[in-house]
Amino acid sequence: NAGVTQTPKFQVLKTGQSMTLQCAQDMNHEYMSWYRQDPGMGLRLIHYSVGAGITDQGEVPNGYNVSRSTTEDFPLRLLSAAPSQTSVYFCASKGGGYNEQFFGPGTRLTVL
Amino acid sequence: KNEVEQSPQNLTAQEGEFITINCSYSVGISALHWLQQHPGGGIVSLFMLSSGKKKHGRLIATINIQEKHSSLHITASHPRDSAVYICAVFGRSQGNLIFGKGTKLSVKP
Repeated sequence: NAGVTQTPKFQVLKTGQSMTLQCAQDMNHEYMSWYRQDPGMGLRLIHYSVGAGITDQGEVPNGYNVSRSTTEDFPLRLLSAAPSQTSVYFCASKGGGYNEQFFGPGTRLTVL
Repeated sequence: KNEVEQSPQNLTAQEGEFITINCSYSVGISALHWLQQHPGGGIVSLFMLSSGKKKHGRLIATINIQEKHSSLHITASHPRDSAVYICAVFGRSQGNLIFGKGTKLSVKP
């Protein structure tokens, strides 16, 4: 199993540009989520999904969209990038209930 | 006040020392995660526990549900243990984790 994969690993954007961070998992997990990690802040939940077709907002959803058309994929879209979105983004997945969460390798995004 | 508090924020140890990292939380939980993140690296799960104690190699995690406190111990520390250790608890929704800010551990040879 590849586990949780994310692309790209690094990305530089200009203010106002849009892009999609890709996330996929091959463990048939119901639950997927996106976090951002900023210095001194810890990981914060952006959006999550409890199954295909179902998404919900986390703690810091503004400026981001998600969709879950399949169990495997959970892309994160930045609609109009801002310097405040410079961060490291992690995708994660887990089975139902209180189960171990598996993290992707992260995407380091810089918005100029 | 953060729902998940870790201490210390930074920790420097000499190789071979016994290390303890603490985590206190204010929310009711069903399970707690200890995670490890190496510099520039991804995040891996070390333990998930809801009671008592778990051991994996030189790592030991304990939890006291009544006191809302967990500890991560590393015995005979080694420079390769240098990493950020993160405590996380499940929030009201079963899938959502609430994270502490992490403890940066540096083990000197």
